[in-house]
Amino acid sequence: GENVEQHPSTLSVQEGDSAVIKCTYSDSASNYFPWYKQELGKRPQLIIDIRSNVGEKKDQRIAVTLNKTAKHFSLHITETQPEDSAVYFCAASINTGNQFYFGTGTSLTVIP
Amino acid sequence: DTAVSQTPKYLVTQMGNDKSIKCEQNLGHDTMYWYKQDSKKFLKIMFSYNNKELIINETVPNRFSPKSPDKAHLNLHINSLELGDSAVYFCASSQVSGGITFGSGTRLTVV
Repeated sequence: GENVEQHPSTLSVQEGDSAVIKCTYSDSASNYFPWYKQELGKRPQLIIDIRSNVGEKKDQRIAVTLNKTAKHFSLHITETQPEDSAVYFCAASINTGNQFYFGTGTSLTVIP
Repeated sequence: DTAVSQTPKYLVTQMGNDKSIKCEQNLGHDTMYWYKQDSKKFLKIMFSYNNKELIINETVPNRFSPKSPDKAHLNLHINSLELGDSAVYFCASSQVSGGITFGSGTRLTVV
């Protein structure tokens, strides 16, 4: 089955700086890559996703890039704010089976 | 309206007991899941159901049994609870070509 690795496990940045979280996957059949944000005590929520036919997608301060050849995808958060502090999960999915495989999470702390 | 709702939100019980967690989704999604999130925050897939058929079972102990009376419901029954079962359990659902929507979670504490 699919194996998703996520780095780093913890990340601290100063407010206003950028944060980058990286994931790799193993199954070349994976074609859908969502990112989730989980605030303390809450459910994971989808913040952005990318499909395999696209190399980059942006939504305001967050962006995701995908390198299908290298099986890498990354989350970029610019101009970080304290409310960005949370645990972020990447995931890989083979659409037809609706099987989602999650990374191990990155705990992001934005220091005011 | 809550898209994926699960009850109870908190569950404290003694070792050896049997308990159930209920889940309902009103999104019309075809696939429902149960995930376990341990103290290290790892999200581990336990089960998924697509049109009432089990399609994933990631070596979960058979003390855990999912029950899906219809496409909108996927309940989780746990027999003979153990200390190691303490975790947050998330129900979720998805549609083909879409992301997963999670419920608010059930924090299970076994004492």
